Amino acid sequence: KAGVTQTPRYLIKTRGQQVTLSCSPISGHRSVSWYQQTPGQGLQFLFEYFSETQRNKGNFPGRFSGRQFSNSRSEMNVSTLELGDSALYLCASSLGTGVMNTEAFFGQGTRLTVV
Amino acid sequence: DAKTTQPNSMESNEEEPVHLPCNHSTISGTDYIHWYRQLPSQGPEYVIHGLTSNVNNRMASLAIAEDRKSSTLILHRATLRDAAVYYCILRDAVPNAGTASKLTFGTGTRLQVTL
Repeated sequence: KAGVTQTPRYLIKTRGQQVTLSCSPISGHRSVSWYQQTPGQGLQFLFEYFSETQRNKGNFPGRFSGRQFSNSRSEMNVSTLELGDSALYLCASSLGTGVMNTEAFFGQGTRLTVV
Repeated sequence: DAKTTQPNSMESNEEEPVHLPCNHSTISGTDYIHWYRQLPSQGPEYVIHGLTSNVNNRMASLAIAEDRKSSTLILHRATLRDAAVYYCILRDAVPNAGTASKLTFGTGTRLQVTL
């Protein structure tokens, strides 16, 4: 079966712009989480969505937002981009049906560069 | 979140077993121990998880100390393709079905495998 698909793979934006990243989870998975990876901070949790509802949120400013659609696809948006937002953004999907089934499957990520 | 401590890096020869340690002295009774790895230029990949008993799967074995304050990921025969950053993560048990819980990544152990 198809894995987690993130689009686009690479993106270059200018400071002050906004950006939207997309994630298509594995078919049948209802939970989608987003992570930011930078050399300095490592992998950090952004937020988690399940059944179109945000269930958990990391310690990021309000410029970072997301949503999930009825088909479980998710988008995340970053407004007023800053240079420090340059990072690899990873999406992970899981069944979300209980702790024993919460193996997370990650996409290859979107590499965002802010200039 | 309870924290984990791992060595920054380890080296292994190909075809030899590798034991990757993880300390988690503040683990709670309901925390599961998860291991993920991240190969170069890819998103993290699930390896194995356990609660109290040792676990085996096709990728690795997980040995959990009796007091659960430490664990060891065992790769039985390291190959060059096992070169990656390995993350030991404590994951909150989910009290009810319907949602996954976030992954809190530390700095991990960078495993180098040489011929």
